[in-house]
Amino acid sequence: AQKITQTQPGMFVQEKEAVTLDCTYDTSDQSYGLFWYKQPSSGEMIFLIYQGSYDEQNATEGRYSLNFQKARKSANLVISASQLGDSAMYFCAMSYTGGFKTIFGAGTRLFVKA
Amino acid sequence: DADVTQTPRNRITKTGKRIMLECSQTKGHDRMYWYRQDPGLGLRLIYYSFDVKDINKGEISDGYSVSRQAQAKFSLSLESAIPNQTALYFCATSDPSGLRSSGANVLTFGAGSRLTVL
Repeated sequence: AQKITQTQPGMFVQEKEAVTLDCTYDTSDQSYGLFWYKQPSSGEMIFLIYQGSYDEQNATEGRYSLNFQKARKSANLVISASQLGDSAMYFCAMSYTGGFKTIFGAGTRLFVKA
Repeated sequence: DADVTQTPRNRITKTGKRIMLECSQTKGHDRMYWYRQDPGLGLRLIYYSFDVKDINKGEISDGYSVSRQAQAKFSLSLESAIPNQTALYFCATSDPSGLRSSGANVLTFGAGSRLTVL
């Protein structure tokens, strides 16, 4: 069965510094996708970044990058140059490629300090 | 207008009452979902639908029912609400053909419906 584990319930980072949010996953499938979503205090869920299991390059989207280590089954989110607006809950998620069911981790709450 | 609209945004009700949460989308996506969020548990799938004739249970469907009235509308019902159904509920849509043609099932969420059952 698929499972997503986020071991950091809360993280603090100084403004303008980089931060890594950890995510490990478990799956027996060979073709899958990994996602990160952001949930600000207002409550909406915002898609940030996607990594396919066969993608050779780590995904990047602006200040977000996904550090994908397939052998370790980890998909950590790296936020560079943190901003106050990055304070939010972050969820790691996974689904089978072309599949419908997305499973989520418990989330990590990030606090950015001025 | 938002791509995915949920109503109501907040609702307080009593045990035993019937509640309906509604969702409409302008994305033109065939796939629609209902998730519930609880602190420390992330989001869990309640029901999903691929089209108006295809509705499927997710991992926590007990106590819930859904209706896909049209491609753009997907409603969630609690026939007899109980306190442990107090949660934040999200409707979402997806189009796997959209992202780099990779089949990535990127979800577009509504703003959420916060339900409190007393």
